[in-house]
Amino acid sequence: KAGVTQTPRYLIKTRGQQVTLSCSPISGHRSVSWYQQTPGQGLQFLFEYFSETQRNKGNFPGRFSGRQFSNSRSEMNVSTLELGDSALYLCASSLAGNLGKDTGELFFGEGSRLTVL
Amino acid sequence: GENVEQHPSTLSVQEGDSAVIKCTYSDSASNYFPWYKQELGKRPQLIIDIRSNVGEKKDQRIAVTLNKTAKHFSLHITETQPEDSAVYFCAAVIFFSGGYNKLIFGAGTRLAVHP
Repeated sequence: KAGVTQTPRYLIKTRGQQVTLSCSPISGHRSVSWYQQTPGQGLQFLFEYFSETQRNKGNFPGRFSGRQFSNSRSEMNVSTLELGDSALYLCASSLAGNLGKDTGELFFGEGSRLTVL
Repeated sequence: GENVEQHPSTLSVQEGDSAVIKCTYSDSASNYFPWYKQELGKRPQLIIDIRSNVGEKKDQRIAVTLNKTAKHFSLHITETQPEDSAVYFCAAVIFFSGGYNKLIFGAGTRLAVHP
């Protein structure tokens, strides 16, 4: 079974630009969460999607947005990039919402490393 | 609000020594406590977990203990090896009816095992 796939793996942008990151969850997983990880920092929760609906949102400005498609693939967008947005963006999928099958485990992708110059 | 405190933030041990990482959670409704390991440049991966109806769980050199009364849970690694060097994250999870989970991560512990 294929794991969680994130694209692109690396990207460089300049301040003011916008970026879109993509996440394909494990087949059968309908919950997708996004996290921001900066050097020396932990996993800062951005948002979680389930069946195309945002169920939970972290404490990030409105420049950070996301969506989920009917095939459970998810995208996140950051507009008007700032230097502080440079980070590793991790996506995780899980069986949350698959009643009777959810173990609670998150399966992470390799991440998209964004550098803002 | 709900949070998970994790200590220490960094831990340095000699190979063969034991390492202990402690977490405290605030929401008494939490009923699942996973631990994730993130090696340098890699994705976080679940290494062990414990549910609220269990006090201790072991898997070879790693063990997790849970004290629900005190809202504490800990990760214990015995006979540490250089490949144990990584960042470890604890988490507290609430399972809601209807399939929604609320998960809160600790800030992470950077463990360095020196040969």
